Amino acid sequence: GNSVTQMEGPVTLSEEAFLTINCTYTATGYPSLFWYVQYPGEGLQLLLKATKADDKGSNKGFEATYRKETTSFHLEKGSVQVSDSAVYFCALKGLNSGGSNYKLTFGKGTLLTVNP
Amino acid sequence: NAGVTQTPKFRILKIGQSMTLQCTQDMNHNYMYWYRQDPGMGLKLIYYSVGAGITDKGEVPNGYNVSRSTTEDFPLRLELAAPSQTSVYFCASSYKAANTEAFFGQGTRLTVV
Repeated sequence: GNSVTQMEGPVTLSEEAFLTINCTYTATGYPSLFWYVQYPGEGLQLLLKATKADDKGSNKGFEATYRKETTSFHLEKGSVQVSDSAVYFCALKGLNSGGSNYKLTFGKGTLLTVNP
Repeated sequence: NAGVTQTPKFRILKIGQSMTLQCTQDMNHNYMYWYRQDPGMGLKLIYYSVGAGITDKGEVPNGYNVSRSTTEDFPLRLELAAPSQTSVYFCASSYKAANTEAFFGQGTRLTVV
């Protein structure tokens, strides 16, 4: 079945540091890939997405590139801010085992804390 | 625009009680999902639905039931609440197409004592 493996946290950085959160996946066919962010006490919000190989998703200074050859979708940001402190989830949307419907599968999440 | 609305936001149940978590969306999405998020953990899929009248089990369906009589609503029923069901519950919805993202509600924090 489909699965997502992402870097376990927590990750603690100083403001303006470079961020990478690794994400790899296993899926049948050609899934779409997503990064979601969850701020304390809130639901998940879409951060960025990529729907085919070599696509780059970007938003709010975050980027991730869909790498089919390495089945990866690593999240990066060049200079993090205190306001980026949150939990980040990698996810894929791909066909279920029956091939009839799409399922959304999440990684376990990575807690990022950015200190001033 | 409301998006995905969940009620209630918080609830405390006693062991053995039952309750229904409500979820409604106004985006005409085919797909709807229920997840639970335990402290420090990721999301686990409880049930999902690909359209009105169609539901299917996720990873952790035991102790829960769902129905999907309309496109808009996807309630989650807990029968005989247990402490292991203490969690934060999220409802989400999306279009069927593979390249479309899911939209999440704000969550329901449930404590079973």
